[in-house]
Amino acid sequence: GAGVSQSPSNKVTEKGKDVELRCDPISGHTALYWYRQSLGQGLEFLIYFQGNSAPDKSGLPSDRFSAERTGGSVSTLTIQRTQQEDSAVYLCASSLTSLRFNEQFFGPGTRLTVL
Amino acid sequence: DQQVKQNSPSLSVQEGRISILNCDYTNSMFDYFLWYKKYPAEGPTFLISISSIKDKNEDGRFTVFLNKSAKHLSLHIVPSQPGDSAVYFCAGTSGTYKYIFGTGTRLKVLA
Repeated sequence: GAGVSQSPSNKVTEKGKDVELRCDPISGHTALYWYRQSLGQGLEFLIYFQGNSAPDKSGLPSDRFSAERTGGSVSTLTIQRTQQEDSAVYLCASSLTSLRFNEQFFGPGTRLTVL
Repeated sequence: DQQVKQNSPSLSVQEGRISILNCDYTNSMFDYFLWYKKYPAEGPTFLISISSIKDKNEDGRFTVFLNKSAKHLSLHIVPSQPGDSAVYFCAGTSGTYKYIFGTGTRLKVLA
């Protein structure tokens, strides 16, 4: 079956512009996660959605970052007024449930470059 | 504060030999650990995991060892194959869905 897909695969933007990154999780997966990987860093947790519950936004680095998940499926990560330090690979993952033993399946990521 | 550390950014191993990738953690609340493998332009894929109640878990050519007293885990790949060339991330979690990842080790298996 289809895996997690993300779009765009690459995004180059100018400092100060807003960007939207999209994630299509695996069908039937109730949990969805966003991570980012900056140069030389590990994967950094950003936000988590589980069903209709309130999302865990504890990893969002600033209020310029927001995310939503519509209809329990597709998710969009929005970065407003982008800064150069936002340049990173943004990865989306989904899992069947939020139990930690459930494997998180990752998408290929969106490479964001802020000039 | 880097809770999970992979101090070797890269490792080269001859095909057929053993690859040993190391990972150290500082959070004593971690009770479940995972290894993910990542090829270029692809997302990470799950490789193997271990619960803190065990000190070893084996799956085919891959074995993960956990030393809780040293807060250290290692991934052994035997025998190493060229297709194993990838970036390997270890991660820990303390009972939740939040995985804390290390910075990765790039493994190159030489044919």
